[in-house]
Amino acid sequence: DVVMTQSPLSLPVTLGQPASISCRSSQSLVHSDGNTYLSWFQQRPGQSPRRLIYKVSNRDSGVPDRFSGSGSGTDFTLKISRVEAEDVGVYYCMQGTHWPRAFGQGTKVEIK
Amino acid sequence: EVQLLESGGGLVQPGGSLSLSCAASGFSFSTSAMTWVRQTPGKGLECVSLIYESGGKTYYIDSVKGRFTISRDNSKNTLYLEMNSLRAEDTAIYYCVTGWQSSIWGQGTMVIVSS
Repeated sequence: DVVMTQSPLSLPVTLGQPASISCRSSQSLVHSDGNTYLSWFQQRPGQSPRRLIYKVSNRDSGVPDRFSGSGSGTDFTLKISRVEAEDVGVYYCMQGTHWPRAFGQGTKVEIK
Repeated sequence: EVQLLESGGGLVQPGGSLSLSCAASGFSFSTSAMTWVRQTPGKGLECVSLIYESGGKTYYIDSVKGRFTISRDNSKNTLYLEMNSLRAEDTAIYYCVTGWQSSIWGQGTMVIVSS
């Protein structure tokens, strides 16, 4: 099974400053159809997860453009250009190329 | 607006059974693969089962194979998860999620397996 490893697990950030989360997979996430199915999710306190990014770098509808995703193969990154108070929560990466799907352990973003 | 409304969670004894439902609206349910994802403080997020759009093919994680059954009724826009021989480690919030890449999540339903 694919294992997803996120770092850091805790990320204190100053409002207005950038933040970056790394996600590494134990196998390549390039699908036989040529796509790379790596998604990022945000889970605010008390809420269900919400997808922010799909296929590495595509923002979902309504997601602010301060969120961006990048990477390839086995190494991926979620960046927040300027952290806002509403960005507090836990962020997960997920691979959708192989079964079983696999999520990272989560990165808790908090305001310093 | 896409809506996913899970129901059926609750407290059940080890070895017992529970049936979850997810009523979907606001999108083309019959053309969407669907998954059940569970969340626990200890194991985090885990995609338990997936079903193709037509219901003709299903996937399960090893720990629930033979105990859980995913199904759907496209005429009723409803997804199901039949859970048998429940164990303490099945205790979790269970989410109904749309699509191959987990695009939209329901609010979840809590399942507690305990004597």
